[in-house]
Amino acid sequence: GAVVSQHPSWVICKSGTSVKIECRSLDFQATTMFWYRQFPKQSLMLMATSNEGSKATYEQGVEKDKFLINHASLTLSTLTVTSAHPEDSSFYICSARDVQGVENYGYTFGSGTRLTVV
Amino acid sequence: EDKVVQSPLSLVVHEGDTVTLNCSYEVTNFRSLLWYKQEKKAPTFLFMLTSSGIEKKSGRLSSILDKKELFSILNITATQTGDSAIYLCAVENAGNMLTFGGGTRLMVKP
Repeated sequence: GAVVSQHPSWVICKSGTSVKIECRSLDFQATTMFWYRQFPKQSLMLMATSNEGSKATYEQGVEKDKFLINHASLTLSTLTVTSAHPEDSSFYICSARDVQGVENYGYTFGSGTRLTVV
Repeated sequence: EDKVVQSPLSLVVHEGDTVTLNCSYEVTNFRSLLWYKQEKKAPTFLFMLTSSGIEKKSGRLSSILDKKELFSILNITATQTGDSAIYLCAVENAGNMLTFGGGTRLMVKP
């Protein structure tokens, strides 16, 4: 089945530093990947849509310069949280859809990255 | 703006009970509705629904979509403690964008 690998699973960083999160589609090509953020006990909020070979599309209220997205290949998208602050601490999840796969797979999510900024 | 509302917000039942989770939506250019189960980490896929009235079933879980009334239900029969999780409903529009509902937190007690 369609598998999305996300790395790292968790990271602790100091305020002011940058953190890169990777999202890979392991057995399919994904021209589009999605980045979500989830606060405790809340649902997933779409941050941005990552498009292979072009600029990402950000949702309203999401700072483009703070959350840098790069989708350099059909299997890899990265989210870089720049100059991280404690309020950026959250659970970040990516997802992709295997459009050539069977219908039942829908969107596949990565395992998520728990970011803690201290 | 696409909108998804799930109810109830939370639910506590005992093992063996049957539960019905609701999802209503408003979306421009509907493409599909998806159900996910989220435990500790990322959501895991349950169902994708695109057509009205066709029940999808997987073990004790089943789901159906009503595109006229714009809602879907997720049924879980003979619940087990392992069913405890947050159940998320999402709708996909023609632009491949997902909008998630707030989720239903289900707790199944022994």
